[in-house]
Amino acid sequence: ELKVEQNPLFLSMQEGKNYTIYCNYSTTSDRLYWYRQDPGKSLESLFVLLSNGAVKQEGRLMASLDTKARLSTLHITAAVHDLSATYFCAVDGRATSGTYKYIFGTGTRLKVLA
Amino acid sequence: DAGVTQSPTHLIKTRGQQVTLRCSPKSGHDTVSWYQQALGQGPQFIFQYYEEEERQRGNFPDRFSGHQFPNYSSELNVNALLLGDSALYLCASSRTGGLYGYTFGSGTRLTVV
Repeated sequence: ELKVEQNPLFLSMQEGKNYTIYCNYSTTSDRLYWYRQDPGKSLESLFVLLSNGAVKQEGRLMASLDTKARLSTLHITAAVHDLSATYFCAVDGRATSGTYKYIFGTGTRLKVLA
Repeated sequence: DAGVTQSPTHLIKTRGQQVTLRCSPKSGHDTVSWYQQALGQGPQFIFQYYEEEERQRGNFPDRFSGHQFPNYSSELNVNALLLGDSALYLCASSRTGGLYGYTFGSGTRLTVV
């Protein structure tokens, strides 16, 4: 069974600091996705990582994927208050039918303090 | 270009009742997945529809059923509602099984009292 674990579950950090969120998964997959969710809102797609060694950056966020280690990281640089949200990683589970579904991680609730 | 549209946005039902939630996928998308997200939890996969058939199913009881129409829109039905069914229900659409990612709707907040 595919399991996806994130750590930390909660993260409180000061503005201007750097930090990394980790996403570990339990089976082979070469596709990993990061989402942001604000309270009471839906999921906003941040990054799609489709191959080993993939690195993508958008603003203060950078995501990477190591399929051999079954690990993805989401690095936050010089955090600002607007980044406060819950961040989810999701890994595709490919069914025998060839279709894909996501298994979501536990989520990391980030709070950036002014 | 409209994204994924879900209706209603909020719903209050009584235990034991039945509910139907609706989803219109993003233009060009043919695959619809449904997720249940309890408060403080990550989304849990319910099922996925492609070509009007249920292709995959998560660990949800038969009280949860669905349908996909020829225009790719979808419904999620939940029978015999329990208090524990209270959650945000998210619909996500994609092209051809989700290989290149999903677009999520804003969700339907279901409260069972």
